Amino acid sequence: EAGVAQSPRYKIIEKRQSVAFWCNPISGHATLYWYQQILGQGPKLLIQFQNNGVVDDSQLPKDRFSAERLKGVDSTLKIQPAKLEDSAVYLCASSLGRREKLFFGSGTQLSVL
Amino acid sequence: SQQGEEDPQALSIQEGENATMNCSYKTSINNLQWYRQNSGRGLVHLILIRSNEREKHSGRLRVTLDTSKKSSSLLITASRAADTASYFCATDANDMRFGAGTRLTVKP
Repeated sequence: EAGVAQSPRYKIIEKRQSVAFWCNPISGHATLYWYQQILGQGPKLLIQFQNNGVVDDSQLPKDRFSAERLKGVDSTLKIQPAKLEDSAVYLCASSLGRREKLFFGSGTQLSVL
Repeated sequence: SQQGEEDPQALSIQEGENATMNCSYKTSINNLQWYRQNSGRGLVHLILIRSNEREKHSGRLRVTLDTSKKSSSLLITASRAADTASYFCATDANDMRFGAGTRLTVKP
């Protein structure tokens, strides 16, 4: 069974630039999560999708972050414009349902200079 | 806060010793899950315990759940250097939010 795929693995940008991350969840998984993990901290939930609908985006900085999950499968997370404090690992996870175990991708490490 | 809170923040033990870490939460739950994260990688699911269960085992892992105290513990027995990682808990009631985790170091 293929796992959660994320790309790119690493990204370096300058502040005020834009960046996008892509996630392909495990086939059949209805729930998809994006987390931000700053070095030394736990993963912070940014947004949760159930199929192609948003369940929780209360911690998503909507002035600069956006996410979509078209057709309830792949998802993209965008930051525009990036700030220095956005430097972090962005993790995507998926699960069969909202109360099931999560499967994580390897993450995208973002450095904003 | 709504996420699970792990305790202690850091734990350092010798290989062969047992490691115990705790998780507290605030609201009623259907299940609680424990995850491990090796440095620089994604989280890996360890075990899920449901609200009607008090204890669950998986290999060298033992998880307990006390819903009256809103707490859970993860015990790793006979620890190995490869168990060195950060450990996190999350509950379904908080939409799978994680705390700061417990950073476990097992010295060979």
